[in-house]
Amino acid sequence: DTGVSQNPRHKITKRGQNVTFRCDPISEHNRLYWYRQTLGQGPEFLTYFQNEAQLEKSRLLSDRFSAERPKGSFSTLEIQRTEQGDSAMYLCASSLWGNAGANVLTFGAGSRLTVL
Amino acid sequence: AQTVTQSQPEMSVQEAETVTLSCTYDTSESDYYLFWYKQPPSRQMILVIRQEAYKQQNATENRFSVNFQKAAKSFSLKISDSQLGDAAMYFCAYRRRKPIQGAQKLVFGQGTRLTINP
Repeated sequence: DTGVSQNPRHKITKRGQNVTFRCDPISEHNRLYWYRQTLGQGPEFLTYFQNEAQLEKSRLLSDRFSAERPKGSFSTLEIQRTEQGDSAMYLCASSLWGNAGANVLTFGAGSRLTVL
Repeated sequence: AQTVTQSQPEMSVQEAETVTLSCTYDTSESDYYLFWYKQPPSRQMILVIRQEAYKQQNATENRFSVNFQKAAKSFSLKISDSQLGDAAMYFCAYRRRKPIQGAQKLVFGQGTRLTINP
């Protein structure tokens, strides 16, 4: 397993267009997280899945954002009608969650979105 | 709400020297984890070291060690024998330990950019 994979690595789009990012987690990991990181800031939590169920969404995730993890494997994050304020790095992370252990997250390299 | 503060936006150190990165946090919880993550340019964030709040002993991982002061809510990272490959953004992060069933989301600080001078 090569870790958490994110595609595309960089997306440039015009305001108002839709974009979709994909995350392939470590195969045995049951949890998948999305974070957003703006320039000069630390990542902020957006949402997470346990298997295919989306269990929590941040208030940062407006109605224009939707995330799915249809078969409990890969996940997609779609942003509709993009705005310049959506420009950021979108980070995906996965973990093997259980009753024991620290649920340590493994991050992908991120997908950078630039909205013109 | 929990907050994490890194007051040093940038730090630099000579290769082979020791550097300490600062982190403070605010929480009303007593059971939590603290982490230091390293984010090299254009590469993924990597876990450097982890500390459980219930453990008094400071965590160490090779050249990396922490100074965990629970009462002061301070969690600094010491890098000994700095190497060129240590150059990166370093993020301090906090996570509640319970409820176990919850998101267990990380709360990050703003980061410290570490430069290693050859």
